Amino acid sequence: KAGVTQTPRYLIKTRGQQVTLSCSPISGHRSVSWYQQTPGQGLQFLFEYFSETQRNKGNFPGRFSGRQFSNSRSEMNVSTLELGDSALYLCASSSSGGATNTGELFFGEGSRLTVL
Amino acid sequence: KNQVEQSPQSLIILEGKNCTLQCNYTVSPFSNLRWYKQDTGRGPVSLTIMTFSENTKSNGRYTATLDADTKQSSLHITASQLSDSASYICVVTPSSGYALNFGKGTSLLVTP
Repeated sequence: KAGVTQTPRYLIKTRGQQVTLSCSPISGHRSVSWYQQTPGQGLQFLFEYFSETQRNKGNFPGRFSGRQFSNSRSEMNVSTLELGDSALYLCASSSSGGATNTGELFFGEGSRLTVL
Repeated sequence: KNQVEQSPQSLIILEGKNCTLQCNYTVSPFSNLRWYKQDTGRGPVSLTIMTFSENTKSNGRYTATLDADTKQSSLHITASQLSDSASYICVVTPSSGYALNFGKGTSLLVTP
């Protein structure tokens, strides 16, 4: 069974640009959640999608957005990039209705974004 | 203030030795507490998931314990191996709302 796939794995952008990251969950999983990981803050929750609907959102500015398609694949977008957006962006999928219950989260390898 | 605090921040041990990582949390009430292992440059991998009513959960050489009264959890690694070198992250899920609460992790280095 294929794992969670994130693309691209690495990318470099400049301030003010925008970026779109993609996440393909494990087949059959309907929940996809996104996280930002930095050395200083650790892992922080961005948002979660379930059946194309955003169910929860973390404490990030509106420049961070996402969506989920009918095949459960998800994208996140960051507009007007800032230097502080440099991070590893991880997505995770879950089969059992999301990460708020005991459902296990399966993480992808992440997309490492560098903003110059 | 972070609601999940992990200690130590980093740890170096010799191969074959045991070690214990700590997680103190203030999230209350909570539905579950998880431990993840994250190798450098990789995504986190789940080690254990414990509900608030469980006291211990094992996964091979990894054993997690939970004391809901003192709001403490520990991850014990037995007979460490070089491949155990990684960051170990404690995550607490609140009962209401969503925001998973992540600790900043303990970086473990196992040396020959």
